[in-house]
Amino acid sequence: GAGVSQSPSNKVTEKGKDVELRCDPISGHTALYWYRQSLGQGLEFLIYFQGNSAPDKSGLPSDRFSAERTGGSVSTLTIQRTQQEDSAVYLCASSLAAGETDTQYFGPGTRLTVL
Amino acid sequence: GNSVTQMEGPVTLSEEAFLTINCTYTATGYPSLFWYVQYPGEGLQLLLKATKADDKGSNKGFEATYRKETTSFHLEKGSVQVSDSAVYFCALIVGGAQKLVFGQGTRLTINP
Repeated sequence: GAGVSQSPSNKVTEKGKDVELRCDPISGHTALYWYRQSLGQGLEFLIYFQGNSAPDKSGLPSDRFSAERTGGSVSTLTIQRTQQEDSAVYLCASSLAAGETDTQYFGPGTRLTVL
Repeated sequence: GNSVTQMEGPVTLSEEAFLTINCTYTATGYPSLFWYVQYPGEGLQLLLKATKADDKGSNKGFEATYRKETTSFHLEKGSVQVSDSAVYFCALIVGGAQKLVFGQGTRLTINP
């Protein structure tokens, strides 16, 4: 079946602009995660959604970052007033449930470059 | 806090060599442990996992054993191939937190 998809695959933006990154999880997966992969920080957790529960936003680096998940499926990560340090690959993952033994399946990522 | 420390890379080996990539962890509680792999130009894929002490995860000839006494989850393969060239990430989840905590990654290059 189809895996996790993300769009766009690449995004170049100017400092100060807002960007939206999209994630389509695997059908039927109730948990959705966003991570960021950057040279300086490695792979770091940003936010996670589980069903209709309030999201865990503990990894968001600043209030310029926000995410929503509509209808329990598609998610959008929004970065406002982008800064150069936001340049990274943004990864989305989904899992069937949110237990620690549930495998997280990752999308191909969106490479964000802030000029 | 929870953290993962991996063997520093890059690691370069010849084909058919024995591979070990060390991984140790610090966790509050009893984590589940994972190895993820990122092949060139591809996304992160789960390689193997172990959810309790003494469990051995295995896949594609790779193995790792959850050692609670040494807080380790070292990745091993008896005979590597050029196609194993990739970046390998050790990771954990502690129950209730749900988020993966990753090590810094180890880049492996296998020469023919």
